[in-house]
Amino acid sequence: AQSVTQLDSHVSVSEGTPVLLRCNYSSSYSPSLFWYVQHPNKGLQLLLKYTSAATLVKGINGFEAEFKKSETSFHLTKPSAHMSDAAEYFCVVTPGGSQGNLIFGKGTKLSVKP
Amino acid sequence: DTEVTQTPKHLVMGMTNKKSLKCEQHMGHRAMYWYKQKAKKPPELMFVYSYEKLSINESVPSRFSPECPNSSLLNLHLHALQPEDSALYLCASSQASGNYGYTFGSGTRLTVV
Repeated sequence: AQSVTQLDSHVSVSEGTPVLLRCNYSSSYSPSLFWYVQHPNKGLQLLLKYTSAATLVKGINGFEAEFKKSETSFHLTKPSAHMSDAAEYFCVVTPGGSQGNLIFGKGTKLSVKP
Repeated sequence: DTEVTQTPKHLVMGMTNKKSLKCEQHMGHRAMYWYKQKAKKPPELMFVYSYEKLSINESVPSRFSPECPNSSLLNLHLHALQPEDSALYLCASSQASGNYGYTFGSGTRLTVV
């Protein structure tokens, strides 16, 4: 069975400091992994995706994530937080080839302090 | 065009009303989805259309009725809803396999009174 665990429900950082949002997954297949961001009252925007190519994935707005198979992790990082990064972040796994089978983590709310 | 467009953005309806949510994409995606999202929760899958045929129905009550008139359009018809159906309804689309991620619309905020 596939599952996703986001290890922190809330992360608070100061503007200009690094961001780390943690995600662990469980999948019986070679998974595709994604990070989505959702600003208040908005839809979900794809930040980045891992689909079995390079293990270090660069996304939009300076975010990146590293796929570590040995640790079953896909943590999201950014060197320097901006106020506009404050949002809800979802780690998502799909086992591949299975339509509609997006498995969402519970989400991590990122707060950015001035 | 890399967007999924949903209308209306906000909808308030009574429990006896009939309304429809609309979703449109022009990315050539052949799979389209409806999700329901309650506050502070991740989205929950409702329906999947693949090549304009309903392929997944996640045991959604019959007061929600999806329709896919063509490969670019997806509707969700609403009838006799309950207050607990108030939520953000998200439409998404993807290439057929879904492996490369889904593109989500900005959603319709539905309030049932």
